[in-house]
Amino acid sequence: GQQLNQSPQSMFIQEGEDVSMNCTSSSIFNTWLWYKQEPGEGPVLLIALYKAGELTSNGRLTAQFGITRKDSFLNISASIPSDVGIYFCAGQLGNAGNMLTFGGGTRLMVKP
Amino acid sequence: ETGVTQSPTHLIKTRGQQVTLRCSSQSGHNTVSWYQQALGQGPQFIFQYYREEENGRGNFPPRFSGLQFPNYSSELNVNALELDDSALYLCASSFGTGAHGYTFGSGTRLTVV
Repeated sequence: GQQLNQSPQSMFIQEGEDVSMNCTSSSIFNTWLWYKQEPGEGPVLLIALYKAGELTSNGRLTAQFGITRKDSFLNISASIPSDVGIYFCAGQLGNAGNMLTFGGGTRLMVKP
Repeated sequence: ETGVTQSPTHLIKTRGQQVTLRCSSQSGHNTVSWYQQALGQGPQFIFQYYREEENGRGNFPPRFSGLQFPNYSSELNVNALELDDSALYLCASSFGTGAHGYTFGSGTRLTVV
């Protein structure tokens, strides 16, 4: 099935470093969402973006909805060990049951 | 407020068998969406149920079917299981059909042997 192109696939960083990951699509979306998934759990919503060009923050997390509506990025500042997990972007067009199309995920590992 | 509850948490089935997975939606939520997450991949939309009817379907064959009950809980049924059906099946509930209001359950890990 179709998935968004998410990069990088994995990152191994030092505690305190900043992190950046992004997501691109060949199709436009009306909403972009960023989720975090930890082992044995379902995805948890971090940030939702509703307008092209929108920049939204949630604590140390900042995400932007690309102006072309075909991309989005997520930044994490001053990473801490509990940031470990898999981060997924997801796009929503608003049809077909408001389905989400997910990226392949970015696995983040933080070294204390 | 209880979250989304899925059962069972793990399941092993034999190819060709049928399986039923269950989901209790979060209190106050009336919509349930099901996703399949293969190992190492992002979730893929199977279908959504709203007001006890299917409200959108992803690219999955008819042997994937569902139900929603008056209390908004839901079942996912898969017939004629194939090895590739091995995955984590996630249920997400929401009030209304907008995905930004989703709460995901912890999933059911299905292994087909």
